[in-house]
Amino acid sequence: GQQVMQIPQYQHVQEGEDFTTYCNSSTTLSNIQWYKQRPGGHPVFLIQLVKSGEVKKQKRLTFQFGEAKKNSSLHITATQTTDVGTYFCAGSGGYQKVTFGTGTKLQVIP
Amino acid sequence: GAGVSQSPRYKVAKRGQDVALRCDPISGHVSLFWYQQALGQGPEFLTYFQNEAQLDKSGLPSDRFFAERPEGSVSTLKIQRTQQEDSAVYLCASSSALRASGIVISYNEQFFGPGTRLTVL
Repeated sequence: GQQVMQIPQYQHVQEGEDFTTYCNSSTTLSNIQWYKQRPGGHPVFLIQLVKSGEVKKQKRLTFQFGEAKKNSSLHITATQTTDVGTYFCAGSGGYQKVTFGTGTKLQVIP
Repeated sequence: GAGVSQSPRYKVAKRGQDVALRCDPISGHVSLFWYQQALGQGPEFLTYFQNEAQLDKSGLPSDRFFAERPEGSVSTLKIQRTQQEDSAVYLCASSSALRASGIVISYNEQFFGPGTRLTVL
């Protein structure tokens, strides 16, 4: 079945540093979604990417979908303590079922 | 408007007991998902409904797990004869669909409920 891996598993950064998490799928994706889960909370949708090579920005967050639609990345510029949480990518192969990645847990040191 | 709600928020069961977890999706959302999230892991897909039809139940771990959505709104996930390995947070999510001329052309983001934390002793 479809597998979605993320690296790194954990990342500690000093406040103000940049952060990137990478997502790789074993199969070509129809679209990819990104979610953020705060400690003790539930996943909250951030964005959906559909087109090959698509790049979308949300303030300090930049999301990218690979040309082959098998990988994606999330880059946060100048991290803040409010960015703390686990970031999941979730890939869809063509209908609505999504497979969540393994997640990257971000810790920001003030 | 109201988001996705789940009840109970916490459930402690003795091994062998049956449990029922409820999900109230956002009104009008066509799709409903159940996920199982173990500590430190990502959500694992269990099953998916489109209206009242269960279109995919490939993620249900065993025949002890059963889900239903009889009227296309509220859904219940039932676990029979609970085992310790069933301990996890069970998340429900719903989403709407984009339609053109009555045909679904794509689906929107999933809105998650707060989850039910199940502990099996």
